[in-house]
Amino acid sequence: GQQVMQIPQYQHVQEGEDFTTYCNSSTTLSNIQWYKQRPGGHPVFLIQLVKSGEVKKQKRLTFQFGEAKKNSSLHITATQTTDVGTYFCALKAGNNRKLIWGLGTSLAVNP
Amino acid sequence: NAGVTQTPKFRILKIGQSMTLQCAQDMNHNYMYWYRQDPGMGLKLIYYSVGAGITDKGEVPNGYNVSRSTTEDFPLRLELAAPSQTSVYFCASSLRTSTDTQYFGPGTRLTVL
Repeated sequence: GQQVMQIPQYQHVQEGEDFTTYCNSSTTLSNIQWYKQRPGGHPVFLIQLVKSGEVKKQKRLTFQFGEAKKNSSLHITATQTTDVGTYFCALKAGNNRKLIWGLGTSLAVNP
Repeated sequence: NAGVTQTPKFRILKIGQSMTLQCAQDMNHNYMYWYRQDPGMGLKLIYYSVGAGITDKGEVPNGYNVSRSTTEDFPLRLELAAPSQTSVYFCASSLRTSTDTQYFGPGTRLTVL
């Protein structure tokens, strides 16, 4: 069945350092979504990627969809303390009616 | 719009008690979901609904029941609470399909002692 791996599970960085989380699928994806969950909060939608090789930017966040549509990455440039939280990928493959969620990458930022 | 609302925010249950977690959305979304999130873990789908009167099981449905009598409401029923059901429960909704953006409620933090 559909498998999704999100790495790393945890990441601690100094404020100002860059951060990247990866989401890898065992099958070709139709699309992938990224969500952020602040500590004690609920997941909030960040972006959706649909096209092979797609790159989207939101301020310091850069999202990429792999050419083979089997992987995606979220890169944060010059992290800030406001970036603290857990970043989840959620993906759709084929005719699957439900999103498959990654386990998330928890980011801690030391000021 | 209030978005997705959940009540209560917190609850402590004794083993064997029952309760209903309430969820409502005012965005006229067709799809609604219940997830549970254990400490430091990801989201696990309990049940979902594609419209009023239609529900289906997710990954971890045992010990829970749902109903969807209206588009707006999607309550989750816990029967015979067990310590393994201690978790944070999130309700979510999406417009037309399960791969549309999902909007989450603030969550209910449940402890079973």
